[in-house]
Amino acid sequence: QEKVQQSPESLIVPEGAMSSLNCTFSNSASQSIWWYQQHPGKGPEALISIFSNGNKKEGRLTVYLNRASLHVSLHIRDSQPSDSAVYLCAVTNNAGAKLTFGGGTRLTVRP
Amino acid sequence: AQTIHQWPVAEIKAVGSPLSLGCTIKGKSSPNLYWYWQATGGTLQQLFYSITVGQVESVVQLNLSASRPKDDQFILSTEKLLLSHSGFYLCASFWGAYAEQFFGPGTRLTVL
Repeated sequence: QEKVQQSPESLIVPEGAMSSLNCTFSNSASQSIWWYQQHPGKGPEALISIFSNGNKKEGRLTVYLNRASLHVSLHIRDSQPSDSAVYLCAVTNNAGAKLTFGGGTRLTVRP
Repeated sequence: AQTIHQWPVAEIKAVGSPLSLGCTIKGKSSPNLYWYWQATGGTLQQLFYSITVGQVESVVQLNLSASRPKDDQFILSTEKLLLSHSGFYLCASFWGAYAEQFFGPGTRLTVL
């Protein structure tokens, strides 16, 4: 059974700083890795995904994947108070049919 | 555009009472549908998934059941609620070039 662990559990950064979130997973054959953002009382919203080793950049977001070390990270450049939310790492198999989520990182960006 | 609706928005129920939560998806035919549960402060867990009408697979046993009565509808239910059923229930489907999973707005369930 796939296991997904995220660190840190909580992260506080000042406005304008880089936020760095980490995720490890247990199965190197997992398909895509997704990062979701969840605000209180809302469903998660997908931010960015990665399948191949290396990095992928979209706007202020950069994600790095290393399948050999079973590690993926999300970096948010120029963090804003509106980025404050819980960030969930999720690993898929079977073409997205099964998603296994990590416990999340609560990001707080101080103005 | 595809949209996912869930009802009710929130429920407060007594232990031992029955429960029925609904999910409807619009704008997509023959969708894969999923139920997730998230305890307060807990990890999002996939409970059930359905590929087609009348077919439901269980992923995690929580003394809940699910049914797919129509192509666009997914129902989560139980005859007797437990305190441990409290939490946030989310319906999801996936579409798009990257098979991104989209979530509904969720139902907040409080069992007293």
